[in-house]
This record gives sequence, structure tokens and C-alpha cells, in this order.
Amino acid sequence: EAQVTQNPRYLITVTGKKLTVTCSQNMNHEYMSWYRQDPGLGLRQIYYSMNVEVTDKGDVPEGYKVSRKEKRNFPLILESPSPNQTSLYFCASSFGGGNSPLHFGNGTRLTVT
Amino acid sequence: EDQVTQSPEALRLQEGESSSLNCSYTVSGLRGLFWYRQDPGKGPEFLFTLYSAGEEKEKERLKATLTKKESFLHITAPKPEDSATYLCAVPDTKTSYDKVIFGPGTSLSVIP
Repeated sequence: EAQVTQNPRYLITVTGKKLTVTCSQNMNHEYMSWYRQDPGLGLRQIYYSMNVEVTDKGDVPEGYKVSRKEKRNFPLILESPSPNQTSLYFCASSFGGGNSPLHFGNGTRLTVT
Repeated sequence: EDQVTQSPEALRLQEGESSSLNCSYTVSGLRGLFWYRQDPGKGPEFLFTLYSAGEEKEKERLKATLTKKESFLHITAPKPEDSATYLCAVPDTKTSYDKVIFGPGTSLSVIP
């Protein structure tokens, strides 16, 4: 089954404790992206990647890192999480970049206390 | 930066009561407009892509249309299972087409 898999689904952590949210897709898509979704602010793009070793900042990249060492994986790293990064995070992929339909994972709900 | 707005913010319909959702955008040189459906606690699910003014796409009770400055998602005789948040999105034409801008969404509730 074609899918984007994120882990974990739920994560509670404390300020400053480094964490990684994993994302994997099995559709051989070139493009992958991370979003955060907050009430009243909608979906905002954090980072995106058009190919292995190629990443670019979205609208809200501060406090986040990404890497794309393999085509199928695109982990999101929070080196020193803060409470304002409490949010619902989605990973997405597409065949042809930002002007192709996105396939989304089921989300990771992160709480930073 | 390009912008996307949606209206209304929330819509409550009786089952069978048809209506339309609006998505307005400020891009020049549109490279596609996308509609997604999002159920609570889940990732958005792709519905339609529209590329040029006058284009229409249909799927069951949903029909999406596109003009030069806005798109409409028409819902005909909705059922309770159509309740969801509907999002529209466009590629950013000012910075990079690979940056995707989402509207804030319309939360639709269909009452039996």
C-alpha cells in the first residue's frame, strides 16, 4: 500500500531534550516536506526537499533541522525543543514537487513542557 | 509571498442542503490549485487539482471550479460523512514552486 509513515504518533517531551520525528515513504517520490498545523494558523511549511541531499527552508524553519540522506526518508530534528514547538506535525511527499498532489502521513502530535 | 484565503471559516449544513466553499489566491502565473479534505486527527487527503481558469473537476457530491482569482468547492446534497475540514493550496510563485501555501481551511459540518 502506498503510504507516508510518521513515527511516533504522539510525543511528550521536556524543553531542551533533542528529539527526532521520522518520516518514510514507499512511493519513490522525489519531493518530501514537513508541515506544522496550529489552530488559527493552518498548515505552515517547515522544510522541503526536492531530492537526496537537497533541502530548502519553508516559512517556519527556525528551531528545526532536516536531512535527506536517502530518497525514502526525511526525518525532522528538534535539537532543543521549546514549548512554542508544541504542535501537530505532518510529513508529505509528492512525485513532482510542490505543483503535484501531496500524500500526507497521519501526523505526530508533539507536546513540549 | 502569495496568499491563500478561504471562506467561510466554518459552515453548518443540513443533510441535502447544497452550498459552496471559497478559496481566493493572490498568485500570478498559477501553477495549480489543490483541494484537500482533512478528517480530525488525520493528514489531509488529496481531492482535486485545477490548473487553468474554467476548469472543473467532479468526485461524487463534490465539484471544484477555478477562475482567475478564486476556486469554489461545490457540495451537492451533502451527507454527514462529508463533514471534514476542506483545505486549498497553491505553489508559491514568488519564491519557489516547491513551497506550498495552504489556506486556513473551511470546517464543514453536515447535520443529519
